[in-house]
Amino acid sequence: ELKVEQNPLFLSMQEGKNYTIYCNYSTTSDRLYWYRQDPGKSLESLFVLLSNGAVKQEGRLMASLDTKARLSTLHITAAVHDLSATYFCAVARQGGSEKLVFGKGMKLTVNP
Amino acid sequence: NAGVMQNPRHLVRRRGQEARLRCSPMKGHSHVYWYRQLPEEGLKFMVYLQKENIIDESGMPKERFSAEFPKEGPSILRIQQVVRGDSAAYFCASSPRTGEYQETQYFGPGTRLLVL
Repeated sequence: ELKVEQNPLFLSMQEGKNYTIYCNYSTTSDRLYWYRQDPGKSLESLFVLLSNGAVKQEGRLMASLDTKARLSTLHITAAVHDLSATYFCAVARQGGSEKLVFGKGMKLTVNP
Repeated sequence: NAGVMQNPRHLVRRRGQEARLRCSPMKGHSHVYWYRQLPEEGLKFMVYLQKENIIDESGMPKERFSAEFPKEGPSILRIQQVVRGDSAAYFCASSPRTGEYQETQYFGPGTRLLVL
């Protein structure tokens, strides 16, 4: 059974600081996704990572994928308050159906 | 291009009633997925459908839950005889499925079901 673990699950940080959050998964995967969710809202797609060594950046967020270690990281650079949200990683099992298996999410609070 | 649409956005039902949740995928998308989110948790896959076909329903409870995606019209997630434990946010996602790789799944705004 494919399992996805995120850590930390809660993070409070100051504006301007950097931080890296982690997503581990248990079996070989085709692809890994990062989503953002604001309270009471839907999920917004941030990144899709399809191959080993993939790195994508958008604004203050950068995501990478290491398929050998079954690990993805989401790096936050010079955090701002607007980044406060819950961040989910999700994985699709290689050779399986299209369903995504989600981690529990990391709730980020950026303090002024 | 309108995004994934879901309605209603909020639904209140009493125990024993039926809940019908609707999802219209993005234009050009033929794949629909339903997920359930309990408070403070991640999303759990329920079912994956293409037009007139259920592809994977491994996440659907065996009883009371059903889903369809007819040739015409939206996808419907139906919950019969709701219980309090069904209270959750239900999200629909769609994707176009091009080539060999699945495209990103785009999520709708969700339906928040409250069972009294």
